[in-house]
Amino acid sequence: NAGVTQTPKFQVLKTGQSMTLQCAQDMNHNSMYWYRQDPGMGLRLIYYSASEGTTDKGEVPNGYNVSRLNKREFSLRLESAAPSQTSVYFCASRYRVLLETFFGQGTRLTVV
Amino acid sequence: TQLLEQSPQFLSIQEGENLTVYCNSSSVFSSLQWYRQEPGEGPVLLVTVVTGGEVKKLKRLTFQFGDARKDSSLHITAAQPGDTGLYLCAGAKGAQKLVFGQGTRLTINP
Repeated sequence: NAGVTQTPKFQVLKTGQSMTLQCAQDMNHNSMYWYRQDPGMGLRLIYYSASEGTTDKGEVPNGYNVSRLNKREFSLRLESAAPSQTSVYFCASRYRVLLETFFGQGTRLTVV
Repeated sequence: TQLLEQSPQFLSIQEGENLTVYCNSSSVFSSLQWYRQEPGEGPVLLVTVVTGGEVKKLKRLTFQFGDARKDSSLHITAAQPGDTGLYLCAGAKGAQKLVFGQGTRLTINP
């Protein structure tokens, strides 16, 4: 079982460059999430998608855009990367609330 | 502002000792979950508590949800090196959002 798959695992960007983080889940989950994890801050929600065709802002959406391409895939785009976006990014999915949220292995992004 | 405050943020103890990690908030949550995260991996669910006052046990780990559903604790008995990791509490806000605490980094020394 692949679960939640994120690509790439590591990325270095220059300030102002753009990139898209890809995420796919094979568990037929309705909801998908993008979090960022910074030291001492836990996981903060960037955007989420409650179902195919819908997206909503989380706690820290500025500087990011998302696309729920289909039920399996949820991508996160940085249009113009900034050093403040240096972080570890996690994609996650869940069938419904109270059930387990499954996480990918993370993407370590450095913006220089 | 952190909605869920975990304490302590760092804890280093010897194998065999007991420990308690706390997760506190001024908000009420419909449910609360505890996750454990290893280096280079995503968090993995340990337990979900739903009812105020609920206590769940997972081998040497005991989880409690506060009566008012604003706080939770994780108690580990006779800690082992394999318990080392980052422990995260997460509270459900509404139907979709899961809000995380900042984490407790636990190190168990042999």
